[in-house]
Amino acid sequence: GNSVTQMEGPVTLSEEAFLTINCTYTATGYPSLFWYVQYPGEGLQLLLKATKADDKGSNKGFEATYRKETTSFHLEKGSVQVSDSAVYFCALSTAPGAGSYQLTFGKGTKLSVIP
Amino acid sequence: DSGVTQTPKHLITATGQRVTLRCSPRSGDLSVYWYQQSLDQGLQFLIQYYNGEERAKGNILERFSAQQFPDLHSELNLSSLELGDSALYFCASSPSDRYLGEQYFGPGTRLTVT
Repeated sequence: GNSVTQMEGPVTLSEEAFLTINCTYTATGYPSLFWYVQYPGEGLQLLLKATKADDKGSNKGFEATYRKETTSFHLEKGSVQVSDSAVYFCALSTAPGAGSYQLTFGKGTKLSVIP
Repeated sequence: DSGVTQTPKHLITATGQRVTLRCSPRSGDLSVYWYQQSLDQGLQFLIQYYNGEERAKGNILERFSAQQFPDLHSELNLSSLELGDSALYFCASSPSDRYLGEQYFGPGTRLTVT
């Protein structure tokens, strides 16, 4: 079956530090890959996505590259801000049937950025 | 704001009771998904409806059921509630076709079973 493994948190960084959150996956077929972010007390928001090998998703200074050879989709940001404090989820989507898409999530990594 | 709405925001009930959670998808989205988020299990996919029909099932208990109505809103029914059903329940929606799997999440309903 499908699975997503991401680094355990929590991760605490100082403002302007470099961020990497590792994510690897196992999937049948050719998945699309996503990073979602959940701010305190809110639902999940799509942060970025990539749909084929070597695609780079980017948004709000965050980037992740779809690496098929290493089955990875690591999230990076060059300089984090206090406002980036949230829980980050790596996810994949497959389409087992017509019109049927399922998201499989990692367990989430809580990021705290201190001034 | 994702455009997905969920009611109620909070729900407190007793074991053995039955509750209904409601979700309205983004305008134009035909698919609705339900997820359960708990500390020990993480985010678990429960069920998907597409234009009124059940399309995919995940780790949904037999005590739970869902439906999608002609106006595309969806309801998740949880019955014979147990303490372990306490969790955040999210609804998500997605466009009907030609999309790549991304989903848009509502703010969630926090269910507490006492």
